[in-house]
Order: sequence, then structure tokens, then C-alpha cells
Amino acid sequence: DSGVTQTPKHLITATGQRVTLRCSPRSGDLSVYWYQQSLDQGLQFLIQYYNGEERAKGNILERFSAQQFPDLHSELNLSSLELGDSALYFCASSVAGQRNTEAFFGQGTRLTVV
Amino acid sequence: AQKVTQAQTEISVVEKEDVTLDCVYETRDTTYYLFWYKQPPSGELVFLIRRNSFDEQNEISGRYSWNFQKSTSSFNFTITASQVVDSAVYFCALSEGTGGGNKLTFGTGTQLKVEL
Repeated sequence: DSGVTQTPKHLITATGQRVTLRCSPRSGDLSVYWYQQSLDQGLQFLIQYYNGEERAKGNILERFSAQQFPDLHSELNLSSLELGDSALYFCASSVAGQRNTEAFFGQGTRLTVV
Repeated sequence: AQKVTQAQTEISVVEKEDVTLDCVYETRDTTYYLFWYKQPPSGELVFLIRRNSFDEQNEISGRYSWNFQKSTSSFNFTITASQVVDSAVYFCALSEGTGGGNKLTFGTGTQLKVEL
């Protein structure tokens, strides 16, 4: 168990809908990351927050947004969902936000858009 | 742009065989960090090792060992005396630190199947 908690574990929703994925980082970790894993794109970095502020951004769609709250938990919001958004979404956390720190991943949220 | 290549899509071995998973990376950074993660059938990503670019000393942890060679831009992972529980997808990753952040660029993964 990495100590990173993601909810829900599974989510099935229809095209056009909006969903929110939640992540609680390991105790003491200030940085949170979101990754998307799909069959065609592999593991892709979406966004990183450090202590409530955005630190790095990947190829995150404009329909997607994220935030990190004062208690350090994070939410990833996906809107106007399309079939192609079906994927496993991982949250990870690390103590610091620099590249020399390892990130620990949660078990992921499997999103299915029908 | 940073890139990680894992040319081996799938490897099958018999238990107790040694197996090496290859990883080749590309980066323009002089300081960078390399990682290996394991994704078992249950789906979570498990951190295995982090290596920085200025430390080429090989590392051994139990049955696992890693060989980092800057000259060939490779960071290979060897499992000695493989076991069925080693069956998983293994990902090599490179840390890109633009603007002080920590973005991991992952390879496409190598599916390892260990059979009895």
C-alpha cells in the first residue's frame, strides 16, 4: 500500500457528462500529480501541484481541470466526456516537488465512458 | 524532447531464469533522474528505484539489479532467479524538471510473464 488514496476505484458514465476524481496524498507529501494511462497513449503526465499551486503541466485537455486544496487533497475534474477519455487515472504524491524525488502512486480510478 | 524507449513489448521466461529488461532514454539535460516502476495485474504502480545521472554505480536489491550506463543512455533492469510473482508490466521513466516541476516521461512498458 503506497499510502495514496484514490476514490472512486471505478466510474462508469455517459458521454457529455462531468466527473470528479479525488486523491488523498501520503501523509507529509506536499506534491500531487495526475497521470492518465490508456491503451493508445500509454502513461501520460497531466498536471502537478505543489502545496496548493500548479507546478507543472502536461498535455492536459482544456476539458480537464485540477486543484489541490489546503488540506493537500486533490481533485481532477473531467467534463464533456468523450469515449476516448476512458482510461485509468492515477494520482501520485511526493514529499517535494522537484525531479529528484520519487512519486508514489495510488491504485488508480478506472473511468469508462459509454 | 525527452523520450524513453522500452523495445521489449513482452518477455516470457520460466521460473528461476534471469531476465533483463532494457531501457534507453534521450534527454538534453545534464542532470536527470531515472526510475523503474512495476505494475502488477492488480493495476497499481509500484516504485522500485530512482537513479540520478551523476551516479553510475550499479545497484542491487535482493534479486533485483540495475545497470546504468550513460555512454549508451541505458538503464537496464535485471531480475535474478525470476518468480511467478514477478509477472507484471515494468515501466522505465525519466524525470523532466522544467520550471522546478517533476514530470515523469514513461516508456511503453515491458510485460514480463514468468511461468512455472
